[in-house]
Amino acid sequence: AQSVAQPEDQVNVAEGNPLTVKCTYSVSGNPYLFWYVQYPNRGLQFLLKYITGDNLVKGSYGFEAEFNKSQTSFHLKKPSALVSDSALYFCAVRDRRSGGFKTIFGAGTRLFVKA
Amino acid sequence: DAGVIQSPRHEVTEMGQEVTLRCKPISGHDYLFWYRQTMMRGLELLIYFNNNVPIDDSGMPEDRFSAKMPNASFSTLKIQPSEPRDSAVYFCASSWGAGTFLTNGYEQYFGPGTRLTVT
Repeated sequence: AQSVAQPEDQVNVAEGNPLTVKCTYSVSGNPYLFWYVQYPNRGLQFLLKYITGDNLVKGSYGFEAEFNKSQTSFHLKKPSALVSDSALYFCAVRDRRSGGFKTIFGAGTRLFVKA
Repeated sequence: DAGVIQSPRHEVTEMGQEVTLRCKPISGHDYLFWYRQTMMRGLELLIYFNNNVPIDDSGMPEDRFSAKMPNASFSTLKIQPSEPRDSAVYFCASSWGAGTFLTNGYEQYFGPGTRLTVT
């Protein structure tokens, strides 16, 4: 069965500092991995994804994520946080072997960036 | 593109009433998803369609819930009768999926959601 874990309910970081939002996953095969962001009263917005190839994936708004197969992790990172990055972040996984579109989302991590 | 459109944005109804949520996916997308988001259960996939055909409805909680997609540009999620525990934010999302063996690697585009309150 597929599952996604986001071990931190909230991450606090000062503006200008690097940020990391953690994600680990479990799938029976090879995964497609995604990060989405949700601002208050809005739908989820796609940030980036890992499909194949380079383990370091770059996405929108300066975010990047590193796929680590041995650790089954896909942590979201940004070198310098902005106050406007404060939002709810979701990691998601899809088993590419299943052939379907069923995506499992993590519980979400709230990022708070302090000025 | 206007993105995924959902209506209404807010719905307040009394227990026992029928509720219909509507969604217009992004033009050209061939997959459509309905999700429910609550504090307790997070984001749950209810059902998804491919080319207007339901593919997986295993997430639909009860027979009170039904979803249809009569054409490529419109879908509804209906709850009849509604109950207070159905109160949640319901999201519709769409995705492109046709073409290659990497089809299921495509990301989803979410609408703004419908906040449903059942009293």
